[in-house]
Amino acid sequence: DQQVKQNSPSLSVQEGRISILNCDYTNSMFDYFLWYKKYPAEGPTFLISISSIKDKNEDGRFTVFLNKSAKHLSLHIVPSQPGDSAVYFCAAKSFISNFGNEKLTFGTGTRLTIIP
Amino acid sequence: ETGVTQTPRHLVMGMTNKKSLKCEQHLGHNAMYWYKQSAKKPLELMFVYNFKEQTENNSVPSRFSPECPNSSHLFLHLHTLQPEDSALYLCASSQDQGPSYEQYFGPGTRLTVT
Repeated sequence: DQQVKQNSPSLSVQEGRISILNCDYTNSMFDYFLWYKKYPAEGPTFLISISSIKDKNEDGRFTVFLNKSAKHLSLHIVPSQPGDSAVYFCAAKSFISNFGNEKLTFGTGTRLTIIP
Repeated sequence: ETGVTQTPRHLVMGMTNKKSLKCEQHLGHNAMYWYKQSAKKPLELMFVYNFKEQTENNSVPSRFSPECPNSSHLFLHLHTLQPEDSALYLCASSQDQGPSYEQYFGPGTRLTVT
């Protein structure tokens, strides 16, 4: 059972336009959400995050929106640049109270291609 | 060296071989992780170490054996693997475990089991 879902495996956007990547989750215990970006032959790199007590977090060209009632989050990139072409992973954390540990649950990723 | 490094980057091994994957983090972090990414599947957490102590084993088969001799190094010992174990194995580290501590990933080891 996949708890974090990215239903679009790929997305193509014209340079300069807005890219919107979507993510849905099923576990209401998730309390922190992250976006990672991955280039080929490299590991994922952290991009932006949002706590479940917020509905928006902005960092430069990147904004993450969280709709808790819909269990949905999205990453907006504006304006999109060719260097943004990568695979974007949505991830969610739930605090495991027994050991005080956390488990990061990932989606399958969306490949974003920015067309010059 | 900076960040999180992993060696080897590529590994091909037979089902009867024994090999080890190595991860080293140069960030002064206390927590280290092993993840597996199979084709068209999400990253799956395998093991978590915090201050050299294993704190999570996500129902991983015993043919995968982790070792964390210190907080900078993490190994994954492999023996009698199956072809379905072919995947990208990613190591990550974080300062600590808590909501705001993001994980930093290494480039991964692409493992092929023949």
